[in-house]
Order: sequence, then structure tokens, then C-alpha cells
Amino acid sequence: AQKITQTQPGMFVQEKEAVTLDCTYDTSDQSYGLFWYKQPSSGEMIFLIYQGSYDEQNATEGRYSLNFQKARKSANLVISASQLGDSAMYFCAMREGTGTASKLTFGTGTRLQVTL
Amino acid sequence: KAGVTQTPRYLIKTRGQQVTLSCSPISGHRSVSWYQQTPGQGLQFLFEYFSETQRNKGNFPGRFSGRQFSNSRSEMNVSTLELGDSALYLCASSTDLRTQYFGPGTRLLVL
Repeated sequence: AQKITQTQPGMFVQEKEAVTLDCTYDTSDQSYGLFWYKQPSSGEMIFLIYQGSYDEQNATEGRYSLNFQKARKSANLVISASQLGDSAMYFCAMREGTGTASKLTFGTGTRLQVTL
Repeated sequence: KAGVTQTPRYLIKTRGQQVTLSCSPISGHRSVSWYQQTPGQGLQFLFEYFSETQRNKGNFPGRFSGRQFSNSRSEMNVSTLELGDSALYLCASSTDLRTQYFGPGTRLLVL
């Protein structure tokens, strides 16, 4: 089974609108972390937001928020007030356990296109 | 603070050659991880180094190796290059479980 599933290969959103990018995960660990990254065409992976499995509040960073539903094993990224510069690939990733601090498993990504 | 830096940014090699990529983590970060990104396989974990020791290893052949120096800078080496090694190689550094910052990547083309 896929550990991270992103079911939307591509999404379109109008400028200034909000958009939700879906991510579901599969793990039997109790301690894990979920990351979202943005990858523009330049290739650099830009860290957006992090949610720990024990965090009580949904993570927020500026226009980015994470809709974390632990029972459903979903960690959707919400981008509010989309901007043209938000057009990029978006990846959801998971770190499992606490001993393997830096090993991330990535989803296949969602290409977001922001239109005028 | 300066971000994660990777050199070179672009590289063209031929089959059979070897290549060494370099990564300098964010100051104070002791963990460095390497990932390979290809259109077919997506993003895959190669290995992680912490305090000069390999802590984790992904499912890659022994042609892929790495090391970390006392200043936390890391290098990865690919020997006997194959066409399928053409990829974007990304390095990431972290200081705790909640962080993982990536560099700009090295684009390797194997001809």
C-alpha cells in the first residue's frame, strides 16, 4: 500500500480563491510527522508546513493551513487567497517514528495552476 | 542564516563515469539527507548522515554512497553511472523532527 497518497495530479484555482490539496497517509506508528512542500519549476523543495501526530492544533503558517484529521489519516493542505506565484508542484511527505528523524516518504504530488 | 547549498547545480556525465555531489547544511544542522527525484520514481530517500555516521539508508544499489565531514558538509558519490541515474538530487538538513529544509538540488544528466 502507498504510504502517502495524493489523488489530485492537477488542480486549477482562480487567483484570490482558496484551494485544498488532498493527502492521505498510511502508518501503524503512533508518532509521525507530516510535511508539505512546494516545488516550483526551478526544482527547489520549499518547506511550507509541518504537523506532528501529537499536535493538538492544526498547523498554520501564513496563508497555509493543514486540515489534520487523524482518524481518517488525512492531512490536507489549504492555501487561502491564492496568488499566481503559488503555481507549482506540491508534495505531501511523512516521517514515521522518532528514531528515523530525517527519512521522508513522499507522495506523487499535485500540480497547482493559479489562473487570473 | 544561509540555506542549504548544493554544488554543482548542473552536471553532465557519460555512462560508466563516477560523480560526486556536495551539500552544505544550514549552520548548526547535524543531519543531512539525500533524495533522488525522477519523473518515473518520484522522490526517493537515498541515505541520511548524522554526526559523520550513516543513520539510515534507502533501497539503492551500492554504487550510491555518501559521507559526512566533521563540519556536517556531506558528499554523495555515484560510481559507474547508468542512464537511469539521470535525476534531480536533493539534499536536506534538519535539526529536529519537525524540520527538513532542502537545497536547490543538483541536476545530473547521464549520456
